[in-house]
Formats: sequence, structure tokens, C-alpha cells
Amino acid sequence: GAVVSQHPSRVICKSGTSVKIECRSLDFQATTMFWYRQFPKQSLMLMATSNEGSKATYEQGVEKDKFLINHASLTLSTLTVTSAHPEDSSFYICSAPETGVGSPLHFGNGTRLTVT
Amino acid sequence: AQSVTQPDIHITVSEGASLELRCNYSYGATPYLFWYVQSPGQGLQLLLKYFSGDTLVQGIKGFEAEFKRSQSSFNLRKPSVHWSDAAEYFCAVGLMEYGNKLVFGAGTILRVKS
Repeated sequence: GAVVSQHPSRVICKSGTSVKIECRSLDFQATTMFWYRQFPKQSLMLMATSNEGSKATYEQGVEKDKFLINHASLTLSTLTVTSAHPEDSSFYICSAPETGVGSPLHFGNGTRLTVT
Repeated sequence: AQSVTQPDIHITVSEGASLELRCNYSYGATPYLFWYVQSPGQGLQLLLKYFSGDTLVQGIKGFEAEFKRSQSSFNLRKPSVHWSDAAEYFCAVGLMEYGNKLVFGAGTILRVKS
């Protein structure tokens, strides 16, 4: 079945540094990918929609300059947390629909970011 | 605004007992509905989905869910729970006019006691 690979699974960084998270669709092409954030014991909150070949669409309240998204190809989207601070520590999950509108999303295994 | 409500934060059932996880949604159009399961520290796995047609849908791992339009519900059921079913379960509604965006419920943590 369709697989979405997310890397790294865990990362610890120092405050003020930047961290890049990769999301790849392994056996299908994804013109759109979604980035979610999950706080402990809470549900997933959509951060942004990554669009191949164009700018990402950010949800209200999400800082574009803090969370940089690049969808460079039909199989790769990256999320860069810039100048990370401890409050950015969270579980970040990407997802992609396998085919067109209406198809279910396939999720990566998530990235646990800890900023010290 | 679209929303999904999972009224039970935690549920504990005995192994072998039946299970029902509740989900109610608020959405103006015909909904696309999903149930996902998440193990600790992992991503989400799709259990089943409803788009149209038969309102009782079958999923993986022996799960099923029934769409009831009159009640705006999409409850997840399993006749006999296994210890490996312990996880967190998320109900979601798909906002297809926005290109497959999902709105998730808060999740229900299932504990299975032996």
C-alpha cells in the first residue's frame, strides 16, 4: 500500500537553531501534502498545506516565517522549524493523499522535536 | 464551522469484550468520514472511511463503523477487543472542498485489560 516516509523520527536541538523535517511519498506522487502538529494528549492540528510548485497555505495563527515549507517535487515536502524555541517542541506529522480529492490521507510516522 | 466531537477521552474494556467509540460531527455538506488509530509515538493508520453508499463500513483489524446522518454520528465498533487494540483512536471529517483537509476529533484512548 501507499507509504509516506518521514525523517527524522526524533530530533533534539538547541534553542535558536533550525531543524528540517522531510516527508516523502514512496510509491505515489503527491501534489499536496499536509503538515500537522500534535501536542501531548491532544489531537492533530493542521499547520499548513504544502503545494508542489507553489507556495504553501498556512492555517490561521501559524507563523509562515517560523515554519518554512518547501514542496520541491511530487514526492518530497520539507518543514523547517527556524530559530527553534522550547515551545516549538512537539510531535509533527505529515500526510499525503494518494490520489485525487476524496482519497484518504496516508500519514508518516511523525517527528518528535525537542528543543532544549 | 466544521468540528468533530469524541466525547470519551478514555475508555477501558476487557479483552474479548465489545467496543464502541463515539464520534459526532458538524459539517454543512455530505461528509467524508474517517477513523484513524495511533500507537504511542507513531503516525496514524487508516482504519476505515465513509464516502457514500452503504452506511455500514468495514475496516481493517475487524473494525466497522456506521454512518447515521440523522444523528450526525460515525461510531466505531469492534465485537471482540484484543490487547493489541490498545491505542488512541481519532475520528476525522474530510473537508473536500479544501482539497482533502481533515478536521480531527480530540481522540479516545483505549485501554484493554486482561
